[in-house]
Amino acid sequence: NAGVTQTPKFRILKIGQSMTLQCTQDMNHNYMYWYRQDPGMGLKLIYYSVGAGITDKGEVPNGYNVSRSTTEDFPLRLELAAPSQTSVYFCASLTAGGTDTQYFGPGTRLTVL
Amino acid sequence: GESVGLHLPTLSVQEGDNSIINCAYSNSASDYFIWYKQESGKGPQFIIDIRSNMDKRQGQRVTVLLNKTVKHLSLQIAATQPGDSAVYFCAEGGSGSARQLTFGSGTQLTVLP
Repeated sequence: NAGVTQTPKFRILKIGQSMTLQCTQDMNHNYMYWYRQDPGMGLKLIYYSVGAGITDKGEVPNGYNVSRSTTEDFPLRLELAAPSQTSVYFCASLTAGGTDTQYFGPGTRLTVL
Repeated sequence: GESVGLHLPTLSVQEGDNSIINCAYSNSASDYFIWYKQESGKGPQFIIDIRSNMDKRQGQRVTVLLNKTVKHLSLQIAATQPGDSAVYFCAEGGSGSARQLTFGSGTQLTVLP
C-alpha cells in the first residue's frame, strides 16, 4: 500500500489563480480530511468527508472547496488564491470502525505571491 | 472555543536522557488523545494514543500519561535518541461526529549529542 499520497509537493501561485491539490488513499478508508499548517503552528481542519458523496466544513473552510466522488480521492480546490493561503496542506484518512488514528500524506507546500 | 495547548514550544535534551513533553486540553468531552511526531518536511506520524478511560499507556520507549482532573497529558520518551528530534503534537478527538482531531501548536524537541 502506498498509503496517502498528495500531489504536487510544491506549488507557487499568483494571487487570483486557482489550483487543485490532489489526495489519494489506497487503504479503502471512509473518512478523509484536509488540514493546513501554518509555520510554527498546529494543524487546522479545512474540510472532511465521511464517505463518497459526503463532505462537510471544518474549522477554516473559507476560500476552499472539496469533492468526494470516489472513496480513494479527495481533491481540495483553491479558487482565487490569496497570500493568506500560503501554508502546508496535509491530507489524512481514517477507517470507520477501526482505530482513531489518522494517517497523513507527505503534504503540499503552497506559496501564494 | 475548545483548544489543545502545549506548555513549552521547545525542549532540548541530552542524548540518552528521558524527555517529557506536556499538553493541556480543555474539551472535557474528548474521548481519546493522540501524540504525533512530525519530522521536517514530512506529515505527522502516529506515536501513541490513549483513551479517556485510561491514565497510562506504554509503547516502545514511549509512555503517555493522562490526568483528567487537571486536563493534562504528557508524552515521555525514554533514552532519547537523535532520531527523536522532531515536532511533537498532541491531538484530541472523539467529540466530533466525523472523528475530527483538534491539534495543539506543537513542541520542538532537539536532542543534543
